[in-house]
Amino acid sequence: DAGVIQSPRHEVTEMGQEVTLRCKPISGHDYLFWYRQTMMRGLELLIYFNNNVPIDDSGMPEDRFSAKMPNASFSTLKIQPSEPRDSAVYFCASSSGPETQYFGPGTRLLVL
Amino acid sequence: GQQLNQSPQSMFIQEGEDVSMNCTSSSIFNTWLWYKQDPGEGPVLLIALYKAGELTSNGRLTAQFGITRKDSFLNISASIPSDVGIYFCAGPIFNRDDKIIFGKGTRLHILP
Repeated sequence: DAGVIQSPRHEVTEMGQEVTLRCKPISGHDYLFWYRQTMMRGLELLIYFNNNVPIDDSGMPEDRFSAKMPNASFSTLKIQPSEPRDSAVYFCASSSGPETQYFGPGTRLLVL
Repeated sequence: GQQLNQSPQSMFIQEGEDVSMNCTSSSIFNTWLWYKQDPGEGPVLLIALYKAGELTSNGRLTAQFGITRKDSFLNISASIPSDVGIYFCAGPIFNRDDKIIFGKGTRLHILP
């Protein structure tokens, strides 16, 4: 298996633009997690899905952030409009149970 | 809410030295997880601990589940350059076995 796939790996955009991050989980995994990592706040869970259904989005910072999982093999995290404070590394992880999460390589987002 | 406190925040050691780091919480955890994040990559699970007092090894890594269930320790023996990275402790939130929280990490640097 190729592991968790994220795209793009790097994104540079201007404040106010829409940003869409994509994730393909490992086949057969029924949990999918979105995290954000910054130096100040560490690794924060934004939202997670079980069997394509959002279970807990309490970590989503504000309404500018939204996530979808239309099917078992694809999820998106969207930021609209983006702001400089959204600059971070965004990770997607998948698992068949919550503990052994397999992380993707991350998307490094820079909002100017 | 539940938090995990890791110490030290960073370490600078010589190759070949042993490393010790720990993770504490004011709350009881039923599972302790240790992840490692290589530079530019996502975290990878190293060791999982499920029982108070449990001592588990993975090569040169040894982790212990504290008796009080409020702490855990990770030791690395005879460090090598590829041990560089960030080490995270993590555990499931109380009564929410499907959601884990991460500590802020211990950054390990190895001096040439």
